[in-house]
Amino acid sequence: DTGVSQDPRHKITKRGQNVTFRCDPISEHNRLYWYRQTLGQGPEFLTYFQNEAQLEKSRLLSDRFSAERPKGSFSTLEIQRTEQGDSAMYLCASSFREETQYFGPGTRLLVL
Amino acid sequence: GENVEQHPSTLSVQEGDSAVIKCTYSDSASNYFPWYKQELGKRPQLIIDIRSNVGEKKDQRIAVTLNKTAKHFSLHITETQPEDSAVYFCAASVFAGNQFYFGTGTSLTVIP
Repeated sequence: DTGVSQDPRHKITKRGQNVTFRCDPISEHNRLYWYRQTLGQGPEFLTYFQNEAQLEKSRLLSDRFSAERPKGSFSTLEIQRTEQGDSAMYLCASSFREETQYFGPGTRLLVL
Repeated sequence: GENVEQHPSTLSVQEGDSAVIKCTYSDSASNYFPWYKQELGKRPQLIIDIRSNVGEKKDQRIAVTLNKTAKHFSLHITETQPEDSAVYFCAASVFAGNQFYFGTGTSLTVIP
């Protein structure tokens, strides 16, 4: 499968714990995006990278959230001190330059 | 920022009939409008997109129309089939490589 992949697919954690998600984009894609999707809603933009550089961050990305893309390939999204309101599907997408975005299968997070 | 509204939230049609989903956007700077189909528990998949330099685009049974003056765009699915049943999201962006602003989704059910 040469599409965007995400790991893990599901994560259950207790409130206050830290979690980290990984996204592997399509190999030639230089842009990588993170979105959050709650039940019954469309995806909401969190942040995006062009190569290693984080170019934009949404106000939704509180200081408990951090994203990295150290070598311009895969990316990680970490949530510290998780809260129940963080429960959502976290979607990653990638694109080649200014072409359209292709989504991964998502990581479903449940905070108990 | 951009605000995308999508209607209806649910839509049921008989197999073989047409389905139309409408979206409006607020930011006149938006120039790229993709549509994604999301089946339950799966990733959003691009089905068609349109850029602001054209008013209509068609791909087999799917078409999208864009009215930049009125700031609205629509998805048209003809000869619907049960496998068209899914949630459809519209989105708007300044360009394809920028953050997408999504609508709230339309749950389409095609009744055999």
